Order: sequence, then structure tokens, then C-alpha cells
Amino acid sequence: AQKITQTQPGMFVQEKEAVTLDCTYDTSDPSYGLFWYKQPSSGEMIFLIYQGSYDQQNATEGRYSLNFQKARKSANLVISASQLGDSAMYFCAFSIYNQGGKLIFGQGTELSVKP
Amino acid sequence: DTGVSQDPRHKITKRGQNVTFRCDPISEHNRLYWYRQTLGQGPEFLTYFQNEAQLEKSRLLSDRFSAERPKGSFSTLEIQRTEQGDSAMYLCASSGAGLGRGLNEQFFGPGTRLTVL
Repeated sequence: AQKITQTQPGMFVQEKEAVTLDCTYDTSDPSYGLFWYKQPSSGEMIFLIYQGSYDQQNATEGRYSLNFQKARKSANLVISASQLGDSAMYFCAFSIYNQGGKLIFGQGTELSVKP
Repeated sequence: DTGVSQDPRHKITKRGQNVTFRCDPISEHNRLYWYRQTLGQGPEFLTYFQNEAQLEKSRLLSDRFSAERPKGSFSTLEIQRTEQGDSAMYLCASSGAGLGRGLNEQFFGPGTRLTVL
């Protein structure tokens, strides 16, 4: 069965420091994509970063980077130089390429950035 | 293009009533997805369309739920005989053609928050 797990229900980080949000997944399919989304209290899902299963290098998007360890089936999100506006729920998700692209989401991690 | 839009943003209804939600995807996107998100949980997949064809329905989508995408443009999600357990945020997302990120990156609408009294 395909599954994705976020083991940190809540995290705190000091403003301007880096933080890592954990994500592990389980699939036997070799072709998949990994995603991170941010959901502020307003409710919209904001795309942050994508990593394809065949990508050799870790993805980066500005202050976001994805630490992709394929053998361990982990896809941790690293946010550098945290800002107060980073406080939100963060969801890890993956989709199998030949299964229509539907996203399977983790339970989420609530990040709080302290001033 | 203004992104994915959903209407209404909020809906309060009484148990047993029918409700219908609308989603307008990004115009060039051929795939459209519906998800449901309950409080404190990640979104759960309900169904998706490629153009006008509904290609997959989750077991979460009971007989009371029906979705359509006439002409491959906007989509509607109808819930008949609503129950209190249907209270949730209903999210719509769309994605385009292409390989890798282009095919799989989904853009989400603001959601419709349903409250069943």
C-alpha cells in the first residue's frame, strides 16, 4: 500500500534559523513525484517544491530545499532563514506517475516561527 | 489567468439537504482533482477528471456524491442528503499535460468549507 508519513505534529523554530520537516513515504513504484505544500490559516494550499524520483540532484526553490534520500524513502523539507510568515501547516505528498497524478498527503506538520 | 477558483467559499446547510460546489480550473489544464480535508488532517483524494472523463473515484466517494466535468471545463461536486460527517473543506486542483513536474504539479483553489448542521 502507498503511504506517506510525517512524524512531527508540531515544530517550533526561532526566526532566522533553519528547520527540517520530516517526511517518509512507501511505494514500490519506481516512477513518482514528491511535493511539499504550505497551508496557512487561510486554508489555501501553496505549492513549495517538487522532486521527481529520477532526479539526481536535490530540488531547491529559494529558501526551500528538499533533502531526497531515495534508498531511505525520505523527502525532508529544509527551510532556511525562517520568517514569521512561514508559520503554517506543511504537507508532504507524493503521486505515482502512471496513476493519474492524484496526490497522497501526509498528516501535516504545524510549524511555528518564534520572533 | 487568475488560477483555480471555487464557489462558494463557505456553505452552511442542514442535514439532509443537497449541496453543489463548482470548480473552475486553470484554462489550459486538462486534469481536475477533488479532495476533501477534515480538521487537522491532510487532504484526501476523492476523484479526478482528464478532460470530461472521470477516470478514478475513491472509495471515500459514496453514492451520495457525484462529480461532473461537462465539456472538460469547470467541474461540479454534488452531495445529496448531507450528513454531519460531510463537514469538511472541499479542495479542487488542476494540472496540465507534460512530463514530470508539469504533469504532476497541481494548483489548488481556495476551497469550499462545508458545515452541515
